[in-house]
Amino acid sequence: DADVTQTPRNRITKTGKRIMLECSQTKGHDRMYWYRQDPGLGLRLIYYSFDVKDINKGEISDGYSVSRQAQAKFSLSLESAIPNQTALYFCATSPGPFDPQHFGDGTRLSIL
Amino acid sequence: RKEVEQDPGPFNVPEGATVAFNCTYSNSASQSFFWYRQDCRKEPKLLMSVYSSGNEDGRFTAQLNRASQYISLLIRDSKLSDSATYLCVVNPTGNMLTFGGGTRLMVKP
Repeated sequence: DADVTQTPRNRITKTGKRIMLECSQTKGHDRMYWYRQDPGLGLRLIYYSFDVKDINKGEISDGYSVSRQAQAKFSLSLESAIPNQTALYFCATSPGPFDPQHFGDGTRLSIL
Repeated sequence: RKEVEQDPGPFNVPEGATVAFNCTYSNSASQSFFWYRQDCRKEPKLLMSVYSSGNEDGRFTAQLNRASQYISLLIRDSKLSDSATYLCVVNPTGNMLTFGGGTRLMVKP
């Protein structure tokens, strides 16, 4: 089983819909992150959390919200999806501040 | 200036060749450095951490030059399976990673 699991793997939806992407991990890491990746733009940080109930904005948090209700789970929500949120989304975890991050398989999201 | 800059490539090399990538970073206080590999439409995977003394893992060698603020990755005896995008990653504050845009490598038979 994957250490960092994202669901769903693929999602196609319409503009204005509310969408939730889930991330769960079995690595026991305190730190969790959400990124999006667009062609040619690299990875950009959306939100991150260092502990349960701890939430921090990243580089591009507008239009997104997150929830960290348990150490192992970090969910990302798009309250009212828009087409320019079409991207590949990754969840990642790390054990400490200067450690590498471990990524989930990604969620491919398309908003029509 | 971008925080982490890489030549996007692509680098097209024959099998068996040696290829080197460089990456520059802007924050001189950066504490940790990594190279990740990303295959098309897949998640980034840690290739190796980069230490001040330089480090090697099989065919891969990473170097860090703090004075000039650049990181390098050397791949010897390239394999077809090395074809991927290589991401230079810097941790400037301990809170989050900063990713370069990636360098694409294509190894040809």
